Amino acid sequence: QSVLTQPPSASGTPGQRVTISCSGSSSNIGSNTVNWYQQLPGTAPKLLIYSNNQRPSGVPDRFSGSKSGTSASLAISGLQSEDEADYYCAAWDDSLNGHVVFGGGTKLTVL
Amino acid sequence: QITLKESGPTLVKPTQTLTLTCTFSGFSLSTSGVGVGWIRQPPGKALEWLALIYWNDDKRYSPSLKSRLTITKDTSKNQVVLTMTNMDPVDTATYYCAHRPNIGQWLGGWFDPWGQGTLVTVSS
Repeated sequence: QSVLTQPPSASGTPGQRVTISCSGSSSNIGSNTVNWYQQLPGTAPKLLIYSNNQRPSGVPDRFSGSKSGTSASLAISGLQSEDEADYYCAAWDDSLNGHVVFGGGTKLTVL
Repeated sequence: QITLKESGPTLVKPTQTLTLTCTFSGFSLSTSGVGVGWIRQPPGKALEWLALIYWNDDKRYSPSLKSRLTITKDTSKNQVVLTMTNMDPVDTATYYCAHRPNIGQWLGGWFDPWGQGTLVTVSS
């Protein structure tokens, strides 16, 4: 069972806005920044959002991130078919000598 | 351009020790703030972080796997090696290594980019 909690699935139609939540605790999201990764089918994960809300170069501004307290969210606006993928949140956890924790992943389906 | 590539056995027997090598280019592990991490993903399941080594040889491990893991670096060869002892069929997964950039602070951060991953199957 993953330390960070994500819904296992999400869906939307092209053009819609969808959000994916990520819930943690005071030792991880509550104390550190959140990162999001996108994993297209059959490929390695790719950094999508870092430091809660920063986009690496090349990531469309349709993707945005936010954090409040011990929770974070990824929003995708103007949903496109190529956004169908698995999305993972991750954060540093200060407990137990410090380590990285991931969410269980959310499979996004574009209907 | 930063690239990483994992290498190692594709099949190991239960109880054996797995040794994986991450060979990278485009950065140096002697550069302040930089690190390399290992993450795995069982077939059809979620990502699981394993270990991280920093430029200053600081090492962090997954609390649940700490007793079985060792991460080392060879700066001259641009390689990071992960060993995992006492392999079990539940350790069957794709193993990724990834670059941890200098983010201006020691701990935390993110992984970018990732290697292509290598599938390791544990079976007798």
